[in-house]
Amino acid sequence: DAKTTQPPSMDCAEGRAANLPCNHSTISGNEYVYWYRQIHSQGPQYIIHGLKNNETNEMASLIITEDRKSSTLILPHATLRDTAVYYCIVRVKAAGNKLTFGGGTRVLVKP
Amino acid sequence: NAGVTQTPKFRVLKTGQSMTLLCAQDMNHEYMYWYRQDPGMGLRLIHYSVGEGTTAKGEVPDGYNVSRLKKQNFLLGLESAAPSQTSVYFCASSDTTGNTEAFFGQGTRLTVV
Repeated sequence: DAKTTQPPSMDCAEGRAANLPCNHSTISGNEYVYWYRQIHSQGPQYIIHGLKNNETNEMASLIITEDRKSSTLILPHATLRDTAVYYCIVRVKAAGNKLTFGGGTRVLVKP
Repeated sequence: NAGVTQTPKFRVLKTGQSMTLLCAQDMNHEYMYWYRQDPGMGLRLIHYSVGEGTTAKGEVPDGYNVSRLKKQNFLLGLESAAPSQTSVYFCASSDTTGNTEAFFGQGTRLTVV
């Protein structure tokens, strides 16, 4: 499984953009990058995913480098409710399409 | 459309007792997963299933058994609970493409004393 590396924690000011980096240097060509977040021990919540191109939805944007070895999740206008642990996951394209979670980044949005 | 539902939400067991956690999904998903999450850590895969009647081991399968008799249900069993199995358990389901999100339940908080 491709492993991901994320900073353990980061702070962000409310109303500002939050840029969350992730390294996945061993990613294979057909593996997707997924982002989930977990708010206070609730079930993980899907945010966004992508393969090669940048992606945007109502929650966030995902920027994937051309070599696909790293990506950045962008929360455009962070709110206090975005305080959570954010997981960058490379989904194994094999039987079961399993999600392998690392430690994630604990994001604290401050007023 | 309830998504993924886990029962029970909370449970306290004595060491050596047995119990079954139930996961039900109403999205007609082929794949289902059981994870555990210990304090301050990420989720770890216990077992998973790629279809009705099939199961496979994940990262931390010891001490657990699973069954997938119906497509919509995935059961996680603890035959003889140990304090080391105190954790929050999450179930998830997804389709087969790998290009769509996996949906998670809200978790079962299990304490073994």
